[in-house]
Amino acid sequence: QPVLTQSSSASASLGSSVKLTCTLSSGHSSNVIAWHQHQPGKAPRFLMLFGGGGTYVQGSGVPDRFSGSSSGADRYLTISNLQSEDEADYYCETWDGYTRVFGGGAKLTVL
Amino acid sequence: QLQVQESGPRLVRPSENLSLTCTVSGGSISTSKYYWGWIRRPPGKGLEWIGNIDYKRTIEYGPSFKSRVTISMDTSKSQFSLSLSPATAADTAVYFCVRHVYGTWQTDYWGQGTLVTVSS
Repeated sequence: QPVLTQSSSASASLGSSVKLTCTLSSGHSSNVIAWHQHQPGKAPRFLMLFGGGGTYVQGSGVPDRFSGSSSGADRYLTISNLQSEDEADYYCETWDGYTRVFGGGAKLTVL
Repeated sequence: QLQVQESGPRLVRPSENLSLTCTVSGGSISTSKYYWGWIRRPPGKGLEWIGNIDYKRTIEYGPSFKSRVTISMDTSKSQFSLSLSPATAADTAVYFCVRHVYGTWQTDYWGQGTLVTVSS
C-alpha cells in the first residue's frame, strides 16, 4: 500500500505563490494522485488529478491559479496569486485499486 | 447538480453502533461510472479512508476499520450507509460521504460532512 508524505504547514503572502509537496513512498513513484482543498466548515473540494505525465483532470470551477507538477516521486501543487480564501488544508490522495490513502495534509496560511 | 447528504445521529454512546446514511440526488447511484465511499476527519487530524461500495456491491474497507465496519447500499432509495461498531471516543470525527470515479479512481465529489461525537 502506498504512503503519502506532506509537510504539515506552509505560509505565504497574499498575492504570492506557494508550492506544496506530496511525496510517494518507494515503489509507488509513478502513482497518479489527486489534490483536495478543505476550507474550515466547508465540504472538501477536488482540485485536480495529476500524474507524472501532467494534469489529467482539473476540478470543476478550479481556477488556473492552481497547477500541478512533479519530479520523481514528488507531486507538487502550486497556487499562484494567493487569495485569502486559499487558506485551507490541502490533501493529496492516491490509490491501489479500490484501496485509497491520504497524505497527512498541509495547513496553508495566507499572510 | 449532484448532491450527497449525510444523515444520522450526531451523538453516539461508547460501545454502541455508529450509523450514518448518505442520500445521493441529482445523479444516479447505480452507475458504472462511479462508486461511493466514506471518509472521516477526526478533530485535529487528517483524512482517513473508511471504505467504498459500488452498485454491484463490490466493497473494500480500509485496513484500520475492517474488523468493525459495514458499508451497504440501497439503490431503490439512492442511499448507501455506514455502520461502525463498537464505537469508541476515537471515532469522534466529521464523516464525509464521497464519490469516486471508475477508471481514474480519484475522489471527485464530497458531501458537506457531519460531526459525530462518541461520548457517554
